[in-house]
Amino acid sequence: GAVVSQHPSWVICKSGTSVKIECRSLDFQATTMFWYRQFPKQSLMLMATSNEGSKATYEQGVEKDKFLINHASLTLSTLTVTSAHPEDSSFYICSAPRTSGDQETQYFGPGTRLLVL
Amino acid sequence: AQSVTQLGSHVSVSEGALVLLRCNYSSSVPPYLFWYVQYPNQGLQLLLKYTTGATLVKGINGFEAEFKKSETSFHLTKPSAHMSDAAEYFCAVSDTLDMRFGAGTRLTVKP
Repeated sequence: GAVVSQHPSWVICKSGTSVKIECRSLDFQATTMFWYRQFPKQSLMLMATSNEGSKATYEQGVEKDKFLINHASLTLSTLTVTSAHPEDSSFYICSAPRTSGDQETQYFGPGTRLLVL
Repeated sequence: AQSVTQLGSHVSVSEGALVLLRCNYSSSVPPYLFWYVQYPNQGLQLLLKYTTGATLVKGINGFEAEFKKSETSFHLTKPSAHMSDAAEYFCAVSDTLDMRFGAGTRLTVKP
C-alpha cells in the first residue's frame, strides 16, 4: 500500500486564491521531504527540500513567497501556492525518504494536479 | 492508466563493469520516459528522457537508454561503472496528465 499520501489529488481554483497541498508519510517519520512540480510530458523539477522544524531549502528560481512550505511534524509537509495564477497549473509531487538500518528508500506521493482558472 | 516496473530493487556491479538497470512500462498512449538518479539526502536529478524520435537516448554521466516499443522497455545502461555511480535510480513514465515512478533500483559499485 501507499506509504506517502497527498491531498488533494485534484484541485481547481480561481486565479488569486491560495491552495494548500499536503504530503503525509503514513507509517514512518520523515525529517526531510522533497517537493517537485512537473509540466505535461516534461521532467520533474525539484522545487524545494522540506525540513522538519526548520526552514525549507528552495532551488534556484523558485519563489519562496509564492510556494510556502511548512514541515510542522515528522509526518506532514504542506506546500501552499499563494495567489495562484494559471501559470502555476501543474502536477505537484512530494517524496519522502524512509530509513531502515543503513538503507534509505525514497517513496513518492501520487501527486496533486492543480488547475488555476 | 500507466505504470512502471523496475526489475531488481538492488543491483551490484564491480567498478568498470557494465551497468544495466531494467525498466518496463505500460501506457495507453505513446509514453514519455525518464530516468532519474538520486543521491542520499538530495532530490532527483534527471539522467535522460525519451520523448519522440531516436530510440537510443544519451544522458549525463555516460548513461544511455533505449526505448523498445515492442518490449515496452526502457533499460538504462552504462558501459563502465564508476564508484560515483552508486545511487538510487528511478524510471518514470509520463503522459499528458501525470508521471508515475518505478520503485527504484539501488546501484552498488564494488571496488
